[in-house]
Amino acid sequence: GEDVEQSLFLSVREGDSSVINCTYTDSSSTYLYWYKQEPGAGLQLLTYIFSNMDMKQDQRLTVLLNKKDKHLSLRIADTQTGDSAIYFCAEISGGSYIPTFGRGTSLIVHP
Amino acid sequence: DVKVTQSSRYLVKRTGEKVFLECVQDMDHENMFWYRQDPGLGLRLIYFSYDVKMKEKGDIPEGYSVSREKKERFSLILESASTNQTSMYLCASSLAGAQPQHFGDGTRLSIL
Repeated sequence: GEDVEQSLFLSVREGDSSVINCTYTDSSSTYLYWYKQEPGAGLQLLTYIFSNMDMKQDQRLTVLLNKKDKHLSLRIADTQTGDSAIYFCAEISGGSYIPTFGRGTSLIVHP
Repeated sequence: DVKVTQSSRYLVKRTGEKVFLECVQDMDHENMFWYRQDPGLGLRLIYFSYDVKMKEKGDIPEGYSVSREKKERFSLILESASTNQTSMYLCASSLAGAQPQHFGDGTRLSIL
């Protein structure tokens, strides 16, 4: 079946930029999403991008999509301790109700 | 903003009990989903529903059933709870088709 891969951990210093990467295999992906999960909570939709876009910016968040390489990234500028969480990448193709989620990247922000 | 509300944040039940987890969304979404989340296994889809009274099995439906009598409410039922069903349960909804999912805060269920 289709697959979404993410690295498990990322550690950054407060104030630096964080870049979380994701690769996917489904060439018919329509939407690609980023979710944030804080400890003990559900998943919060951070942002999403349509597959016909290359980039989307929303305040400190920048999403880049390389459709040729099936690579998605989430850049968080000026990373804060409150950004420490697990970040999930997900994709869905146009004919489906069901997204495919990655396993999540645990972002650790240290002073 | 979309609001998905799960009835309990924490729940403790005993082996063999019938357990009901409730989920309500307030945005007239067509699709609703139940996942469980376990360390190292990511999110696994249990059941989903794309319309009232309609349900479809996900990847791990064994030991679970669901009910969707009204559009806004999607219930997950553990017919006879077992210890291997101890997990974090997440409900989600989406408007229709490939629209993004919105999640509730989760229910951490412990079966003793």
